[in-house]
Amino acid sequence: DAGVIQSPRHEVTEMGQEVTLRCKPISGHNSLFWYRQTMMRGLELLIYFNNNVPIDDSGMPEDRFSAKMPNASFSTLKIQPSEPRDSAVYFCASTPPGMNNEQFFGPGTRLTVL
Amino acid sequence: EDQVTQSPEALRLQEGESSSLNCSYTVSGLRGLFWYRQDPGKGPEFLFTLYSAGEEKEKERLKATLTKKESFLHITAPKPEDSATYLCAVQATGGSYIPTFGRGTSLIVHP
Repeated sequence: DAGVIQSPRHEVTEMGQEVTLRCKPISGHNSLFWYRQTMMRGLELLIYFNNNVPIDDSGMPEDRFSAKMPNASFSTLKIQPSEPRDSAVYFCASTPPGMNNEQFFGPGTRLTVL
Repeated sequence: EDQVTQSPEALRLQEGESSSLNCSYTVSGLRGLFWYRQDPGKGPEFLFTLYSAGEEKEKERLKATLTKKESFLHITAPKPEDSATYLCAVQATGGSYIPTFGRGTSLIVHP
């Protein structure tokens, strides 16, 4: 199994530009999570999908952030327009069906907004 | 609100010097407590799940224990390759499956 796949691995963009991060969860997993990690705030949950439906997006910072999961094998996190304070590592994680399952994290996307 | 506090924030050990990392938590009801290891430039990697007070799990030099208020990750005779950040997360009972993560403990083991 290839694990959770994220792309790109690194993204450098200028303030005001649109950024799209992509995630392919592990096949058979039905929950998907987007996290943001910074030195200051640690690992923060942005949004959680279950069976492709957004369940909790209370962690999404503001309207500049949006996430979609059009099918069970693909999700995107979009930032438009991007700002320097959005610079962080963004992780996608998926879990198999069940109540107490551990999360499988992708390698992350390091975003730098200049 | 669920809370997870990890201590210490950073820990430096000599190879072979055993120690413990702490994860204190506050939840209305515990569904599960998870330990993850995160290497620089990588995503967290699952280590253990603990479900009830008194439970213990081991993997190589690591042993995780759980009480009603905290969990410990004991590292016995650590090696330099154990250097990483160790994250603790709790999942509360109720409808949400969303885990709450602590800030982590950065462990460095010197040869």
